[in-house]
Amino acid sequence: EDQVTQSPEALRLQEGESSSLNCSYTVSGLRGLFWYRQDPGKGPEFLFTLYSAGEEKEKERLKATLTKKESFLHITAPKPEDSATYLCAVQAGSRDYGGSQGNLIFGKGTKLSVKP
Amino acid sequence: GAVVSQHPSWVICKSGTSVKIECRSLDFQATTMFWYRQFPKQSLMLMATSNEGSKATYEQGVEKDKFLINHASLTLSTLTVTSAHPEDSSFYICSASPAGGPGEQFFGPGTRLTVL
Repeated sequence: EDQVTQSPEALRLQEGESSSLNCSYTVSGLRGLFWYRQDPGKGPEFLFTLYSAGEEKEKERLKATLTKKESFLHITAPKPEDSATYLCAVQAGSRDYGGSQGNLIFGKGTKLSVKP
Repeated sequence: GAVVSQHPSWVICKSGTSVKIECRSLDFQATTMFWYRQFPKQSLMLMATSNEGSKATYEQGVEKDKFLINHASLTLSTLTVTSAHPEDSSFYICSASPAGGPGEQFFGPGTRLTVL
């Protein structure tokens, strides 16, 4: 069964204290792995898409990496405004498949709190 | 780009009434839109895939007669919760992919439904 597990469930950091969030997955062929940020009472905001092992994407203080079993979201020198829940989602199935299979499977998220 | 809106952002209704939620893609056409449900501290759970001009595809366990989906145009999908009950209270979020299919999705801001 396709599954996505995020850890830790919650993470408290001091401003400037770098850390990493983990997303491990087991899927039958990975078409894509997606990171989103979700603020309380809001819809998820798209951050990154990763398609293959070894791929990395960066945006401001965030960097996402991908291996064959997991993805990491690295946060460098976080600020209080980075506080949010970070969601990981995977799309299963071969990328060579031209159909619409492979709906997104979401993890439960990591709630990040950054204190000033 | 890739902006998705939802209306209303919150709604309170009495048990037994029906509630309609609108989802619009503002700057792209979406042949497919997705409806999710999210309970507190839980993952986003896909309810159904809304296809423009055809019937929606519902996930296992989702009552299609209770959650009516209409995708009347390439920019609008609606979710109607019929005969709502307190257990239907939740956060409903729609999404769409500019590229079509279930890949990289952009989410609406969500609708908080409270059934009294």
